[in-house]
Formats: sequence, structure tokens, C-alpha cells
Amino acid sequence: DIQMTQSPSTLSASVGDRVTITCRASQSISSWLAWYQQKPGKAPKLLIYKASSLESGVPSRFSGSGSGTEFTLTISSLQPDDFATYYCQQYNSYLTFGGGTKVEIK
Amino acid sequence: QLQLQESGPGLVKPSETLSLTCTVSGGSISSSSYYWGWIRQPPGKGLEWIGSIYYSGSTYYNPSLKSRVTISVDTSKNQFSLKLSSVTAADTAVYYCALGSGWNTPLDYWGQGTLVTVSS
Repeated sequence: DIQMTQSPSTLSASVGDRVTITCRASQSISSWLAWYQQKPGKAPKLLIYKASSLESGVPSRFSGSGSGTEFTLTISSLQPDDFATYYCQQYNSYLTFGGGTKVEIK
Repeated sequence: QLQLQESGPGLVKPSETLSLTCTVSGGSISSSSYYWGWIRQPPGKGLEWIGSIYYSGSTYYNPSLKSRVTISVDTSKNQFSLKLSSVTAADTAVYYCALGSGWNTPLDYWGQGTLVTVSS
């Protein structure tokens, strides 16, 4: 099965910072990767699919890139509403999620 | 707008079967556009896909859970259900139902989740 590894596990940042989260797959998944945002006590929310396609209604400060085994989620200018945990998910073979990256206030 | 709501016991004893139902509102579970899935999240941990079902009854399961999982659909009630047998404390988690355009696609809409604790 395909393992997904996210880094860092925790990230401290300030409002206005550019933030980058990395997700690595244990084997090539082409561009079959999604990113989710989860806030405490809430269900995950889909942000990006097919590695770089922005889900409808998601602010343009979120962007995704990558293919094969290495992917990134970038928040161009961190906003107060963006402090949350982010998960990557591959859907090349079944569905598996990364361990999550918590973005906290610096 | 589609809405999903999980329901079921919040406490299950070890070795018993966990049973949850997801009720779909604002749309038909028989839509050819959607697959319906279950995902769980142990407290303070990450997400694990359990399995998915199409309205026709076709099922797709996580290989690591397949021997204990049954997902079914009741189109007359606009519901789909999860059964997980022989539970242990490791099955304690928030259980979410969700939908996607395929069984192996991103999950577009999620229910709010329900916590199930396995304890005697």
C-alpha cells in the first residue's frame, strides 16, 4: 500500500507569512493527490485536488504543486482563519492520508 | 445542498460490532454522480479511509480492515451504513461519512462526525 509522509508535523507562523507543507508518497501517484484543511472538532474540508486544482470557493492564496512522489501545499499569505491542521491524501491506489501538519500561531 | 449526518451508539463493548448510519439529505443517495464513504480519526491522530459504496451496492474496502467491515446502502431511506466487527480499543475514533465522485477520488462533502468509544 502507498504511504504518505508529511513534513513538518508542526509549523509555527505569523499572519502574512508564506507557508509551505510537503507531502511525499512511497511510490509514484502521478497527480492523484488532494489536500484538506481541518479545524478542531470539525470535519476536513477539501482544498485542492489533482495536486494543483483549487476546489470551488477556496481562496486563491492556497495553491498546490508536484507530481510523482513529491507535492507541496503553499499558503501565500497566512490569514487568521488558516491556523488549522492540513492533510494530504493520495487516491492513486485506494485512499491513504498523510499524518497531518498543524499550522500554529508563532 | 447535500448534507450528511452520522448516527449510532457512542459506546461499544470490546469484541462487539460497531454499527453506524449516515443519513443523506438535500439529494438522492441513488445519484449516479456519487460514491459514499466512511473515514475514521482516532482522538488526536490522523485520518483513515474505511471503505466506500455505490448506490448499486458495489463496495470498496481498505485492505487493512476488509475482514471486519461491511458497508451497505438503503436507497429507500436515503441512508448507508457501516458495520465493524470484533472491535477493540484501537477502533475508538470519530467516524465520518463523506461523498466523492468516485470510490477512489477526493471526498467533497463530509458529515460532522460521531465519536465512538470502545470500552467495557
